[in-house]
Amino acid sequence: SQQGEEDPQALSIQEGENATMNCSYKTSINNLQWYRQNSGRGLVHLILIRSNEREKHSGRLRVTLDTSKKSSSLLITASRAADTASYFCATDANMYSGGGADGLTFGKGTHLIIQP
Amino acid sequence: DVKVTQSSRYLVKRTGEKVFLECVQDMDHENMFWYRQDPGLGLRLIYFSYDVKMKEKGDIPEGYSVSREKKERFSLILESASTNQTSMYLCASKIAGATAYEQYFGPGTRLTVT
Repeated sequence: SQQGEEDPQALSIQEGENATMNCSYKTSINNLQWYRQNSGRGLVHLILIRSNEREKHSGRLRVTLDTSKKSSSLLITASRAADTASYFCATDANMYSGGGADGLTFGKGTHLIIQP
Repeated sequence: DVKVTQSSRYLVKRTGEKVFLECVQDMDHENMFWYRQDPGLGLRLIYFSYDVKMKEKGDIPEGYSVSREKKERFSLILESASTNQTSMYLCASKIAGATAYEQYFGPGTRLTVT
């Protein structure tokens, strides 16, 4: 079953505006990661936030984590056309721990469209 | 830069064929993963490997097998391809030890089974 669920499923905004995506998960985690996927391509890692962190920044990205609500948000400020992509949250999934290869469980993604 | 490559970007196979999807990484990562991605379902883990010749089942291993004979190469095998295996297949790798490391993804193979 899916661990992370992104909200909204799709988001369309004007260039220059801020975009906020949310992720909810079900079980306790050690960390949460956000990835971006451009159309038809592989995923690219954006940012990782540990369970003992509440907020993290990377360039125009700001991620928050609320472990009491089991939720995270990704904020992209001053959006650009190149930010058009699907965004996924991923959590470490205990059931995939095998010999040190801890797998991730991905949500279904938020498709972000930046209108020029 | 870490590079994860997949043998084909697009592949068309017939029902019943044996299909091999190859993934190679150049960063000496111990862990490698195979996912499939379908609209509305997101990414689902098929198999992963934490070392050479080691493999573990993920969420949806049925109909698939894997092979890891060398550290840099992780192969996904569809023993007898079926139309419900039409999907985007993504390979990833990471450093061993903890989930606090990012996964590096290949560009994906879009497989169509007719």
